[in-house]
Amino acid sequence: GDSVTQMEGPVTLSEEAFLTINCTYTATGYPSLFWYVQYPGEGLQLLLKATKADDKGSNKGFEATYRKETTSFHLEKGSVQVSDSAVYFCALSDMEQGGSEKLVFGKGTKLTVNP
Amino acid sequence: GAVVSQHPSRVICKSGTSVKIECRSLDFQATTMFWYRQFPKQSLMLMATSNEGSKATYEQGVEKDKFLINHASLTLSTLTVTSAHPEDSSFYICSASRGNTIYFGEGSWLTVV
Repeated sequence: GDSVTQMEGPVTLSEEAFLTINCTYTATGYPSLFWYVQYPGEGLQLLLKATKADDKGSNKGFEATYRKETTSFHLEKGSVQVSDSAVYFCALSDMEQGGSEKLVFGKGTKLTVNP
Repeated sequence: GAVVSQHPSRVICKSGTSVKIECRSLDFQATTMFWYRQFPKQSLMLMATSNEGSKATYEQGVEKDKFLINHASLTLSTLTVTSAHPEDSSFYICSASRGNTIYFGEGSWLTVV
Protein backbone atom coordinates (compact mmCIF):
# COMPACT_ATOMS: atom_id res chain seq x y z
CA GLY A 1 0.00 0.00 0.00
CA ASP A 2 0.89 3.66 -0.05
CA SER A 3 3.37 4.92 2.51
CA VAL A 4 5.32 8.00 3.49
CA THR A 5 8.77 7.94 5.05
CA GLN A 6 9.86 11.07 6.79
CA MET A 7 13.07 12.14 8.41
CA GLU A 8 13.16 11.17 12.07
CA GLY A 9 13.39 13.96 14.54
CA PRO A 10 13.70 15.82 16.66
CA VAL A 11 15.50 18.54 14.79
CA THR A 12 16.99 21.44 16.70
CA LEU A 13 18.28 24.50 14.87
CA SER A 14 19.38 28.01 15.67
CA GLU A 15 17.41 30.92 14.31
CA GLU A 16 18.23 31.79 10.68
CA ALA A 17 19.61 28.33 10.00
CA PHE A 18 18.69 26.39 6.86
CA LEU A 19 16.09 23.65 7.26
CA THR A 20 15.60 20.47 5.29
CA ILE A 21 13.16 17.75 6.31
CA ASN A 22 13.32 14.77 3.98
CA CYS A 23 10.21 12.97 2.80
CA THR A 24 9.90 10.08 0.36
CA TYR A 25 6.84 8.16 -0.64
CA THR A 26 5.58 5.02 -2.28
CA ALA A 27 2.26 5.02 -4.09
CA THR A 28 0.50 2.84 -6.60
CA GLY A 29 -1.04 5.79 -8.38
CA TYR A 30 -0.15 9.41 -8.96
CA PRO A 31 -0.52 11.05 -5.58
CA SER A 32 -0.89 14.59 -4.43
CA LEU A 33 1.69 15.51 -1.82
CA PHE A 34 1.30 17.67 1.26
CA TRP A 35 3.15 19.13 4.16
CA TYR A 36 1.12 19.77 7.30
CA VAL A 37 2.29 21.65 10.37
CA GLN A 38 1.08 21.27 13.94
CA TYR A 39 1.95 24.10 16.29
CA PRO A 40 1.90 23.35 20.01
CA GLY A 41 -1.66 22.90 21.26
CA GLU A 42 -3.21 23.32 17.83
CA GLY A 43 -4.61 21.15 15.09
CA LEU A 44 -2.97 20.25 11.82
CA GLN A 45 -2.73 23.02 9.26
CA LEU A 46 -1.91 22.65 5.62
CA LEU A 47 1.47 24.25 4.97
CA LEU A 48 1.84 23.56 1.26
CA LYS A 49 0.96 21.04 -1.39
CA ALA A 50 1.81 19.88 -4.90
CA THR A 51 -0.39 17.88 -7.20
CA LYS A 52 1.88 16.92 -10.08
CA ALA A 53 5.50 16.24 -10.91
CA ASP A 54 7.87 19.22 -10.77
CA ASP A 55 5.26 21.36 -9.01
CA LYS A 56 6.70 23.47 -6.23
CA GLY A 57 4.54 24.20 -3.24
CA SER A 58 5.46 27.22 -1.15
CA ASN A 59 4.13 29.08 1.84
CA LYS A 60 5.58 31.17 4.68
CA GLY A 61 9.08 30.79 3.26
CA PHE A 62 8.82 27.00 3.11
CA GLU A 63 9.17 25.17 -0.19
CA ALA A 64 8.88 21.61 -1.42
CA THR A 65 9.17 20.26 -4.96
CA TYR A 66 7.35 17.17 -6.19
CA ARG A 67 10.09 14.91 -7.57
CA LYS A 68 8.55 11.92 -9.30
CA GLU A 69 11.89 10.46 -10.37
CA THR A 70 13.10 10.24 -6.78
CA THR A 71 9.60 9.93 -5.21
CA SER A 72 10.48 12.74 -2.85
CA PHE A 73 8.93 15.91 -1.48
CA HIS A 74 11.55 17.42 0.79
CA LEU A 75 10.63 20.46 2.85
CA GLU A 76 13.07 23.38 2.91
CA LYS A 77 13.33 26.82 4.40
CA GLY A 78 16.27 29.13 3.99
CA SER A 79 16.09 30.86 7.36
CA VAL A 80 14.03 29.45 10.18
CA GLN A 81 12.49 31.45 12.98
CA VAL A 82 11.60 30.55 16.54
CA SER A 83 7.95 30.68 15.50
CA ASP A 84 8.56 27.78 13.11
CA SER A 85 8.95 25.42 16.04
CA ALA A 86 6.30 22.77 15.44
CA VAL A 87 5.76 19.23 14.25
CA TYR A 88 5.81 18.79 10.47
CA PHE A 89 4.00 15.96 8.71
CA CYS A 90 4.49 14.84 5.15
CA ALA A 91 1.42 13.23 3.60
CA LEU A 92 0.02 11.92 0.36
CA SER A 93 -3.39 11.45 -1.14
CA ASP A 94 -3.72 8.95 -3.95
CA MET A 95 -6.55 9.79 -6.32
CA GLU A 96 -6.49 6.37 -7.97
CA GLN A 97 -7.37 4.74 -4.69
CA GLY A 98 -10.46 6.84 -4.49
CA GLY A 99 -11.32 8.97 -1.48
CA SER A 100 -9.04 11.87 -2.26
CA GLU A 101 -9.70 13.22 1.19
CA LYS A 102 -7.95 10.27 2.79
CA LEU A 103 -4.37 11.00 3.69
CA VAL A 104 -1.41 8.77 4.42
CA PHE A 105 0.97 10.47 6.82
CA GLY A 106 4.59 10.21 7.74
CA LYS A 107 5.49 9.95 11.42
CA GLY A 108 6.10 13.65 11.84
CA THR A 109 9.28 15.58 12.55
CA LYS A 110 9.50 17.84 15.56
CA LEU A 111 11.42 21.03 14.88
CA THR A 112 12.71 23.27 17.63
CA VAL A 113 14.27 26.59 16.72
CA ASN A 114 16.32 28.31 19.39
CA PRO A 115 16.90 32.06 19.48
CA GLY B 1 -10.31 30.97 13.16
CA ALA B 2 -10.97 27.27 13.49
CA VAL B 3 -12.94 25.63 10.73
CA VAL B 4 -13.14 22.23 12.37
CA SER B 5 -13.42 22.02 16.12
CA GLN B 6 -12.74 18.99 18.25
CA HIS B 7 -13.66 18.44 21.88
CA PRO B 8 -12.35 17.62 24.40
CA SER B 9 -8.72 18.42 23.72
CA ARG B 10 -7.60 16.22 26.61
CA VAL B 11 -9.45 13.54 28.50
CA ILE B 12 -8.49 11.02 31.12
CA CYS B 13 -10.79 8.10 31.75
CA LYS B 14 -10.72 4.96 33.80
CA SER B 15 -10.15 1.60 32.22
CA GLY B 16 -13.45 -0.02 31.26
CA THR B 17 -15.37 3.20 30.80
CA SER B 18 -16.42 4.88 27.56
CA VAL B 19 -15.39 8.28 26.31
CA LYS B 20 -16.85 10.40 23.52
CA ILE B 21 -14.94 12.79 21.29
CA GLU B 22 -16.79 15.32 19.14
CA CYS B 23 -15.78 16.76 15.80
CA ARG B 24 -17.71 19.74 14.45
CA SER B 25 -17.50 21.61 11.19
CA LEU B 26 -18.08 25.21 12.25
CA ASP B 27 -19.43 27.06 9.26
CA PHE B 28 -19.94 24.44 6.61
CA GLN B 29 -21.65 21.12 6.14
CA ALA B 30 -19.52 18.03 5.98
CA THR B 31 -21.12 14.88 4.64
CA THR B 32 -17.87 13.05 5.24
CA MET B 33 -15.43 13.34 8.11
CA PHE B 34 -12.37 11.28 8.85
CA TRP B 35 -10.96 10.02 12.13
CA TYR B 36 -7.25 9.43 12.59
CA ARG B 37 -5.22 8.07 15.46
CA GLN B 38 -1.59 8.61 16.30
CA PHE B 39 0.37 6.49 18.71
CA PRO B 40 3.59 7.93 20.15
CA LYS B 41 6.32 8.20 17.54
CA GLN B 42 4.03 6.71 14.91
CA SER B 43 2.24 8.08 11.89
CA LEU B 44 -1.28 9.40 11.92
CA MET B 45 -3.36 6.42 10.81
CA LEU B 46 -6.80 6.63 9.30
CA MET B 47 -9.27 4.79 11.50
CA ALA B 48 -12.56 5.33 9.75
CA THR B 49 -14.59 7.44 7.39
CA SER B 50 -17.67 8.95 9.00
CA ASN B 51 -20.62 9.30 6.63
CA GLU B 52 -23.59 11.48 7.49
CA GLY B 53 -26.75 9.45 7.77
CA SER B 54 -25.11 6.08 7.22
CA LYS B 55 -22.68 3.68 8.78
CA ALA B 56 -19.05 4.56 9.10
CA THR B 57 -16.46 2.80 6.98
CA TYR B 58 -13.66 1.35 9.07
CA GLU B 59 -10.10 0.68 8.00
CA GLN B 60 -8.71 -2.79 8.26
CA GLY B 61 -7.78 -3.72 11.80
CA VAL B 62 -9.99 -1.11 13.50
CA GLU B 63 -12.69 -2.62 15.71
CA LYS B 64 -15.99 -1.04 14.81
CA ASP B 65 -17.65 -2.24 18.01
CA LYS B 66 -14.98 -0.59 20.08
CA PHE B 67 -14.74 2.68 18.19
CA LEU B 68 -18.30 3.78 17.62
CA ILE B 69 -18.77 6.55 15.11
CA ASN B 70 -21.96 8.52 14.77
CA HIS B 71 -22.50 11.20 12.13
CA ALA B 72 -26.04 12.22 12.87
CA SER B 73 -25.87 15.70 11.41
CA LEU B 74 -23.99 17.50 8.68
CA THR B 75 -21.84 19.35 11.19
CA LEU B 76 -21.13 16.77 13.88
CA SER B 77 -19.37 13.43 14.03
CA THR B 78 -18.64 11.66 17.29
CA LEU B 79 -16.13 8.96 18.11
CA THR B 80 -16.89 6.89 21.20
CA VAL B 81 -14.18 4.66 22.58
CA THR B 82 -16.02 1.94 24.43
CA SER B 83 -14.64 -0.14 27.28
CA ALA B 84 -11.42 1.81 27.06
CA HIS B 85 -8.11 0.16 27.87
CA PRO B 86 -4.73 1.75 28.52
CA GLU B 87 -3.59 0.68 25.05
CA ASP B 88 -6.30 2.95 23.60
CA SER B 89 -4.40 5.92 24.97
CA SER B 90 -3.54 7.93 21.91
CA PHE B 91 -4.00 11.15 19.98
CA TYR B 92 -7.24 11.20 17.99
CA ILE B 93 -7.87 13.79 15.31
CA CYS B 94 -10.65 14.38 12.83
CA SER B 95 -10.76 16.08 9.46
CA ALA B 96 -13.37 17.40 7.06
CA SER B 97 -13.18 18.87 3.61
CA ARG B 98 -14.56 22.22 2.52
CA GLY B 99 -14.19 22.55 -1.19
CA ASN B 100 -10.75 21.29 -2.11
CA THR B 101 -9.22 21.99 1.29
CA ILE B 102 -8.93 19.49 4.11
CA TYR B 103 -9.26 20.93 7.59
CA PHE B 104 -8.26 19.20 10.78
CA GLY B 105 -9.56 19.55 14.28
CA GLU B 106 -7.28 20.39 17.16
CA GLY B 107 -7.00 16.76 18.15
CA SER B 108 -7.86 14.97 21.38
CA TRP B 109 -5.39 13.37 23.75
CA LEU B 110 -6.93 10.35 25.42
CA THR B 111 -5.30 8.79 28.45
CA VAL B 112 -6.83 5.64 29.89
CA VAL B 113 -5.72 4.86 33.43
